[in-house]
Amino acid sequence: DAKTTQPPSMDCAEGRAANLPCNHSTISGNEYVYWYRQIHSQGPQYIIHGLKNNETNEMASLIITEDRKSSTLILPHATLRDTAVYYCIVRVASGSGGYQKVTFGTGTKLQVIP
Amino acid sequence: DAGVIQSPRHEVTEMGQEVTLRCKPISGHDYLFWYRQTMMRGLELLIYFNNNVPIDDSGMPEDRFSAKMPNASFSTLKIQPSEPRDSAVYFCASTRPGYNEQFFGPGTRLTVL
Repeated sequence: DAKTTQPPSMDCAEGRAANLPCNHSTISGNEYVYWYRQIHSQGPQYIIHGLKNNETNEMASLIITEDRKSSTLILPHATLRDTAVYYCIVRVASGSGGYQKVTFGTGTKLQVIP
Repeated sequence: DAGVIQSPRHEVTEMGQEVTLRCKPISGHDYLFWYRQTMMRGLELLIYFNNNVPIDDSGMPEDRFSAKMPNASFSTLKIQPSEPRDSAVYFCASTRPGYNEQFFGPGTRLTVL
């Protein structure tokens, strides 16, 4: 797995956009960027993934730089329920032959402040 | 769908005792993963199965740990004998080819005294 670097913690005001950065300078051409989050005392939850284009779903948006060496997860209107640890992971997508195991780093602890 | 089911949710035991953690993956998922999470080491992959066969057990810490998947709907992680340093939250996750996400269970919080 390519290694990722994330800030250990961030604060965000409730209702504002939360922008969580991730550096993955050694990412390979066939590796995707995945984001998971873990709310306290729960199992990790998938948020979004992308290869090189920006992606958006009902939970978040993912912006990947053109050189793919970094990305940003955007929670457009953060709520208190978004307080969690956010993990950025790079790996080959499933279906590419076999399954590449996922390595979770230490993530970013996002605190949404009222 | 009920999601990934783990039992027990909490387990407290004494050092030296055998501990068995259980997991029922989501129906139709043929990959199953066991993770361990501690404050010191974060979330670590212990072992994963594909079609009930162990594929990678390189994360299993030592011989005291063993995992089995006798059928597609059940897996166990056993620690014998348990030690205080095994205290952690153990997560089970499942997925299938074509899915890009793993679905995690609620975890089992293990405390070894």
